[in-house]
Amino acid sequence: NAGVMQNPRHLVRRRGQEARLRCSPMKGHSHVYWYRQLPEEGLKFMVYLQKENIIDESGMPKERFSAEFPKEGPSILRIQQVVRGDSAAYFCASSPSGRAGDEQFFGPGTRLTVL
Amino acid sequence: GENVEQHPSTLSVQEGDSAVIKCTYSDSASNYFPWYKQELGKRPQLIIDIRSNVGEKKDQRIAVTLNKTAKHFSLHITETQPEDSAVYFCAASIDYGGSQGNLIFGKGTKLSVKP
Repeated sequence: NAGVMQNPRHLVRRRGQEARLRCSPMKGHSHVYWYRQLPEEGLKFMVYLQKENIIDESGMPKERFSAEFPKEGPSILRIQQVVRGDSAAYFCASSPSGRAGDEQFFGPGTRLTVL
Repeated sequence: GENVEQHPSTLSVQEGDSAVIKCTYSDSASNYFPWYKQELGKRPQLIIDIRSNVGEKKDQRIAVTLNKTAKHFSLHITETQPEDSAVYFCAASIDYGGSQGNLIFGKGTKLSVKP
């Protein structure tokens, strides 16, 4: 049973470009969380999605950031017009039911570098 | 919203000694407290968790205690080994009675175990 997959593992973008980060949850999991980890800091919640629904996006910046989890295919975190401050590791996690108390399994992360 | 404080930020111990990491949380509605271990450049991995109806949980050399009244929980690692060296994150989650399980993380403790 494959774990949570993320791609790309490393992504370099110039200021003003778009970044697309993909996350495939574990088989049988339909709940996906995205977290951002700045260097030397903890993980900060960004958004929680179920298939075709955004449940909680309270941790996501209002501008330039968006997320989706279509019926088919991976969840995508999209950052438009990237700035240097967006450089971070972005982790997604999946769980079977989305309830508090469910273990969240993390992917390997995408390390975004904005030049 | 929930806020999780974690101390110390760095911890250095001799191999064989014990290590203790402490976290406090602000929202008394939090009821799930996982601990994650993250090695350099790797994904966070769950090492132990505790729910609010339990005061203590052990798994071999690792134990977690929870004091709901004081709103703090601690990770205890006994007989530390060099491979325990990593960054450890505590987290808290609130169950709103539905599907909501995003984690609020502490800022991490960098544990170094010296041989």
